[in-house]
Amino acid sequence: QVQLQESGPGLVKPSETLSLTCTVSGGSISSHYWSWIRQTPGKGLEWIGYMFYNGRDRERVNYNPSLKSRVAISADTSKNQFSLKLSSVTAADTAVYYCARQAAGDYDYFQHWGQGTLVTVSS
Amino acid sequence: DIVMTQSPDSLSVSLGERATINCQSSESIFYSSNNKNYLAWYQQKPGQPPKLLISWASTREFGVPDRFSGSVSGPDFTLTISSLQPEDVALYYCQQYFLSPPTFGGGTKVEIK
Repeated sequence: QVQLQESGPGLVKPSETLSLTCTVSGGSISSHYWSWIRQTPGKGLEWIGYMFYNGRDRERVNYNPSLKSRVAISADTSKNQFSLKLSSVTAADTAVYYCARQAAGDYDYFQHWGQGTLVTVSS
Repeated sequence: DIVMTQSPDSLSVSLGERATINCQSSESIFYSSNNKNYLAWYQQKPGQPPKLLISWASTREFGVPDRFSGSVSGPDFTLTISSLQPEDVALYYCQQYFLSPPTFGGGTKVEIK
């Protein structure tokens, strides 16, 4: 059974970069599509983006256009992890951040989720 | 983006009674080539991540009780809990995955009356 666990700072200052890591166990990240999703009381659930890496030569990312200019998702296959970087954060980026595995393809539902980590943007 | 609208925002149902949650997409999420609706339903309990209940509008995930069912009528999608149990108290979300970005409904809170 695949398991995902988010980690990273719980507090980030405005204008700085939010960095989170998702560690995957029970399966390789060199398959499937892996997403970041966030949840706020005001905006609900918002998909941030996904990455796909086939372990050989194909890497693909896709980001929500609303965040595209500030987001980067990448993989570290040696650690079976993928990460999220969100730059120039504001209070509006305060949210619970989840990593998730999509069921199969790029247009897909989210079959497995991490427990989530709360990130607060505040000085 | 495709907007997913859920109703009601909350509902109170007696134990053993039926709970019905509706979800409407701002445009079609049906793909005629495979005859599928690209819609999923999730359940979220306090302090937990969303849990996938149903995909393709009506396919229950393995291990999900059969009191949960999904259906389609035209542009409207429905999640039905046929006999509400105490452990079903939660928030429920629909999600479309037909077009990028995938989008979620605003959620429906189900409580015991």
